[in-house]
Amino acid sequence: GENVEQHPSTLSVQEGDSAVIKCTYSDSASNYFPWYKQELGKRPQLIIDIRSNVGEKKDQRIAVTLNKTAKHFSLHITETQPEDSAVYFCAATTYNNNDMRFGAGTRLTVKP
Amino acid sequence: NAGVTQTPKFRILKIGQSMTLQCTQDMNHNYMYWYRQDPGMGLKLIYYSVGAGITDKGEVPNGYNVSRSTTEDFPLRLELAAPSQTSVYFCASTNGARQETQYFGPGTRLLVL
Repeated sequence: GENVEQHPSTLSVQEGDSAVIKCTYSDSASNYFPWYKQELGKRPQLIIDIRSNVGEKKDQRIAVTLNKTAKHFSLHITETQPEDSAVYFCAATTYNNNDMRFGAGTRLTVKP
Repeated sequence: NAGVTQTPKFRILKIGQSMTLQCTQDMNHNYMYWYRQDPGMGLKLIYYSVGAGITDKGEVPNGYNVSRSTTEDFPLRLELAAPSQTSVYFCASTNGARQETQYFGPGTRLLVL
């Protein structure tokens, strides 16, 4: 089955800097890659996703890139703000959500 | 819409006890999911349902059971609680199975002692 690895496990940046979180996946059949943000004690919330037919997607300060050949995808947050501090999870799945696999998470801390 | 709701928020169980975690959604979603999240880890799928009367196992189903008698409700049953089931449990729902956004409930924190 699919295996998703996520790095780094913790990331600390200064406010205004950029943050990059990387994930690799093992199943070449995976074609949907969502990213979730989870604040302390809260539920995961989708922040951006990408499908395998595109290489990059951007939504304001957040962008995701996908390299299908290398089987890795990354989350980029620019101009970080303290409210970006949270745990971020990547995930990968094939056609159905029923086989979605999550990375172990990255705890991002943005220092003011 | 309340979205996805879960009860209870927190529960302490003794080894061998049983309990049911409740999940309800008011978005008329056909697809519902149960995940567990262990400390410092991502989510793992326990069971899912594609509609009323239809359920199937996910990645880590052992020790759990589910039922889906209505579109709105998807309870998760623990029959003989074990310390390994200490976790945070999230219910989620989607409008469709295929790469649709999953909406999560607030979670149930379970401690088995």
